[in-house]
Amino acid sequence: EPEVTQTPSHQVTQMGQEVILRCVPISNHLYFYWYRQILGQKVEFLVSFYNNEISEKSEIFDDQFSVERPDGSNFTLKIRSTKLEDSAMYFCASSVDRQETQYFGPGTRLLVL
Amino acid sequence: DAKTTQPPSMDCAEGRAANLPCNHSTISGNEYVYWYRQIHSQGPQYIIHGLKNNETNEMASLIITEDRKSSTLILPHATLRDTAVYYCIVRFTDKLIFGTGTRLQVFP
Repeated sequence: EPEVTQTPSHQVTQMGQEVILRCVPISNHLYFYWYRQILGQKVEFLVSFYNNEISEKSEIFDDQFSVERPDGSNFTLKIRSTKLEDSAMYFCASSVDRQETQYFGPGTRLLVL
Repeated sequence: DAKTTQPPSMDCAEGRAANLPCNHSTISGNEYVYWYRQIHSQGPQYIIHGLKNNETNEMASLIITEDRKSSTLILPHATLRDTAVYYCIVRFTDKLIFGTGTRLQVFP
């Protein structure tokens, strides 16, 4: 069964460093998403992406964040200058169409020191 | 904010049916009810969704009341591996808004 995959599973970085989290969505899916979950808190929507454009973003998704589909398979989330409060699990998801079911990857645990 | 209300926790004996309720009294006519679960800190796992009719798949059944103001997720024969946080989500845009869910503990 097709799955969303994410790399790395764990990432430790120093405050102020740039990180790139990678996702490979399910192959025939056209909509891509990033969510995050700070330890002990709710899963929060960050951004949705379609046709090489952001279709919706939350107030969390500020100028420090960017997303990209650099090739036909990868979908990336970049945090330009990490802060301590960026420490969280980051989940990628994809769906066939905008209103279709979203399938989530296993997540990347980001720790900012 | 999430448009759903769920009990914070429930227990269920292994092998018994787990019935997880959800209230969504402000749901609109074109909004679907989705259920996901999250085991530890893994990625949310899709379970089932519905609009107005009851739905069943290999994982669970979803019962939606006629007025659509509430629903129940049924795991017919709960196992220890079903211990997780279960989220009921009313979806009105392409983003999913997660609440705090119901923490289901299945015990032997």
